[in-house]
Amino acid sequence: GENVEQHPSTLSVQEGDSAVIKCTYSDSASNYFPWYKQELGKGPQLIIDIRSNVGEKKDQRIAVTLNKTAKHFSLHITETQPEDSAVYFCAASMRMFTGGGNKLTFGTGTQLKVEL
Amino acid sequence: DGGITQSPKYLFRKEGQNVTLSCEQNLNHDAMYWYRQDPGQGLRLIYYSQIVNDFQKGDIAEGYSVSREKKESFPLTVTSAQKNPTAFYLCASSIGTSGYNEQFFGPGTRLTVL
Repeated sequence: GENVEQHPSTLSVQEGDSAVIKCTYSDSASNYFPWYKQELGKGPQLIIDIRSNVGEKKDQRIAVTLNKTAKHFSLHITETQPEDSAVYFCAASMRMFTGGGNKLTFGTGTQLKVEL
Repeated sequence: DGGITQSPKYLFRKEGQNVTLSCEQNLNHDAMYWYRQDPGQGLRLIYYSQIVNDFQKGDIAEGYSVSREKKESFPLTVTSAQKNPTAFYLCASSIGTSGYNEQFFGPGTRLTVL
């Protein structure tokens, strides 16, 4: 089955700096890659996603890049702020369920800390 | 106010007891999912349901059971057969139509088995 590796497991940056989180996946059939942000004690929230027919997607301070050949994708956060501190998960969708819905395989998460 | 609710937020049970976690959504989504989250690990899929009265096992279904009698409800039972049930359990839902749809997550239930 699909395997998603995520690095680093922890990341500490100064406010205003950029943060980059990287993920690799194993199944070349995967073609949907969402990123989730999880705050302490809460459920994950989707922050951005990308499909395999697109190499890059940007939404304000957040961007995701995808390299299908190398099977890796990255999350970029610019001008980090203290409220960006959370755990970030990448995921890859390896197949569609018949009838709809996605089977997501998640990375192990990155604890991002933005220091003042 | 649409969303997914899970109850209770914290749950304590004695070893050997079955326990049922509630998940309700008012988003009119067809697909619903249950994930387990352990410290330092990603989310792992336990069960999923694409439509009422139908559900399938995910990657770690052993020791768990579900039902989907209503579109808005997808309860998860953690049975005594689950060897290590202490974890954070997350329920999610998506529209479930063709294409790639965002999965919306509930706030989670933290289960501790004593």
